[in-house]
Amino acid sequence: QSVLTQPPSVSAAPGQKVTISCSGSSSNIASNYVSWYQQLPGTAPKLLIYDNNHRPSGIPDRFSGSKSGTSATLDITGLQTGDEADYYCGTWDSSLTTVVFGGGTKLTVL
Amino acid sequence: QVQLQESGPGLVKPSETLSLTCSVSGGSVSSASDYWSWIRQPPGKGLEWIGYIYYTGSTRYNPSLRSRVIISLDTSKNQFSLKLTSVTAADTAVYYCARSSHYTGPWGQGIMVTVSS
Repeated sequence: QSVLTQPPSVSAAPGQKVTISCSGSSSNIASNYVSWYQQLPGTAPKLLIYDNNHRPSGIPDRFSGSKSGTSATLDITGLQTGDEADYYCGTWDSSLTTVVFGGGTKLTVL
Repeated sequence: QVQLQESGPGLVKPSETLSLTCSVSGGSVSSASDYWSWIRQPPGKGLEWIGYIYYTGSTRYNPSLRSRVIISLDTSKNQFSLKLTSVTAADTAVYYCARSSHYTGPWGQGIMVTVSS
């Protein structure tokens, strides 16, 4: 059972928008930066969003992140079949003194 | 850009010690701005942070694994390593090394380690 809670799966049609939520607590999301990771099938996770809402170089602006209180959100617009992957949120937990990840959300582009 | 590559045995016997090394290129494990992490992912499951090491040698471990984990640095080889003792089948996973700060990335490609006799 993960410290951060994500929906197990989301789906949407190509070209549409999808939102993936990440719910935590005052000791993690509310007080630390949130990052998001994309894991394509059979590959290592890749940093998608850092410091709540910043994109590393090379990440399209179709991907955006936000945070409010104890929750964070990843939005993906203009969905493409190549976006089918598992998405994880992550942050530091000040009480557990450990990096924590969400359980992951599988995105299906119908 | 920074690249990381894991190496080590892909099969470890129960009760023995899992040992992995991460080689870093395009960056330095002596950098004061970075931490160097190990993360694992059991087959079909999510990510679990194991711990990280700072250039000073200071470490922080996941409390659930702390009694069995040692992460160390070799600055002369620009590498850092993971040792996990007394392994069981529950330690079977893909093990990733990565650079960390406010976030984790980049990641190595990962190495599958199976615990089996």
